[in-house]
Amino acid sequence: AQSVTQLDSHVSVSEGTPVLLRCNYSSSYSPSLFWYVQHPNKGLQLLLKYTSAATLVKGINGFEAEFKKSETSFHLTKPSAHMSDAAEYFCVVRGYSNYQLIWGAGTKLIIKP
Amino acid sequence: DTEVTQTPKHLVMGMTNKKSLKCEQHMGHRAMYWYKQKAKKPPELMFVYSYEKLSINESVPSRFSPECPNSSLLNLHLHALQPEDSALYLCASSQVSGETEAFFGQGTRLTVV
Repeated sequence: AQSVTQLDSHVSVSEGTPVLLRCNYSSSYSPSLFWYVQHPNKGLQLLLKYTSAATLVKGINGFEAEFKKSETSFHLTKPSAHMSDAAEYFCVVRGYSNYQLIWGAGTKLIIKP
Repeated sequence: DTEVTQTPKHLVMGMTNKKSLKCEQHMGHRAMYWYKQKAKKPPELMFVYSYEKLSINESVPSRFSPECPNSSLLNLHLHALQPEDSALYLCASSQVSGETEAFFGQGTRLTVV
């Protein structure tokens, strides 16, 4: 069965420093993977997706993620954090059904001035 | 237009009230979803409609009644809710097949008193 684990419930970085949000997945076949962001009291916005094309995926707002099959990881990175990046981030894998998304527990990104 | 529009943004209702949440998209997506999200948790799938027919019901109590009047609209009818049903209700849409992502609305913040 598909599953996803976000390794950190909270990540705190200073503005202007790199961001790393970690995600490991489990899938019995080649997965479709997503990162969504949710700002406080807002809906969910897609940051980026991996769907078996290039392993390095670039998303919006300077974020990118690298699919590593050998490590079953899909970590999200950004070279330089901005205050507006403070939000909850969810790593998601598609389930067996095209309609079902398996969600990680979320990582809260805190940006220190 | 890549928007999913939900109304109302906020709703307070009593346990004996009947109310409806509305969702609209004009992306030509034929799959539409209702999710429930409690504070500090990932979204939980409630219902999926595919081609205007109910495809998935994740064992949701009957006090929640979904309706898909046409390919652009999705409603969630609420009746006799409990305080524990207070949550953020998110609508989403996607293509039916292919390696596609879900687009989310901003949600309706529901408080049951």
